[in-house]
Amino acid sequence: ELKVEQNPLFLSMQEGKNYTIYCNYSTTSDRLYWYRQDPGKSLESLFVLLSNGAVKQEGRLMASLDTKARLSTLHITAAVHDLSATYFCAVEASGTYKYIFGTGTRLKVLA
Amino acid sequence: GAGVSQSPSNKVTEKGKDVELRCDPISGHTALYWYRQSLGQGLEFLIYFQGNSAPDKSGLPSDRFSAERTGGSVSTLTIQRTQQEDSAVYLCASSLGPGVVYGYTFGSGTRLTVV
Repeated sequence: ELKVEQNPLFLSMQEGKNYTIYCNYSTTSDRLYWYRQDPGKSLESLFVLLSNGAVKQEGRLMASLDTKARLSTLHITAAVHDLSATYFCAVEASGTYKYIFGTGTRLKVLA
Repeated sequence: GAGVSQSPSNKVTEKGKDVELRCDPISGHTALYWYRQSLGQGLEFLIYFQGNSAPDKSGLPSDRFSAERTGGSVSTLTIQRTQQEDSAVYLCASSLGPGVVYGYTFGSGTRLTVV
């Protein structure tokens, strides 16, 4: 059974700092997604990573995927308050077409 | 439509009552998914539709939960004899097809409160 773990679960950081969120998963998968959720809102797709070594960047966020290590990272560069949200990774359970979500990382960027 | 539409946005019901939650996916999206998000928790998979059939119902928590999809479009999630532990946000998502590369588009959810 595919399990997806994120860490940290909570992250409070100062504006201007860098940090990385980690997403580990337990079985082989070729597709991994990152989503953002603002309080009381639905999920917004950030990145889709489709192959080993894939790297995607959007603004201050950069996501990467290492399928051999079963690890994805979401790196935050020079954080700003607007990045405060909960970030989820989701991994496709191979052959099932369903996505197993991590527990989420609640990020708070302090001014 | 332009996005995934869910209704109602909020529902408060008494314990023991039945509720129906509706999802209207993006036009042309053949895959439809229901997830549940409890307070402060991640997303729990409930059921997946491809067209009108549900090849994966493995996430439905009990036989009080059922879902159907008609015309390859609108889906209804029904919870019978609601319990307080059913309180959660129920999210629907749709996609162009199974395993496509673009991921899901989520609706805004139905917040269900069982009192």
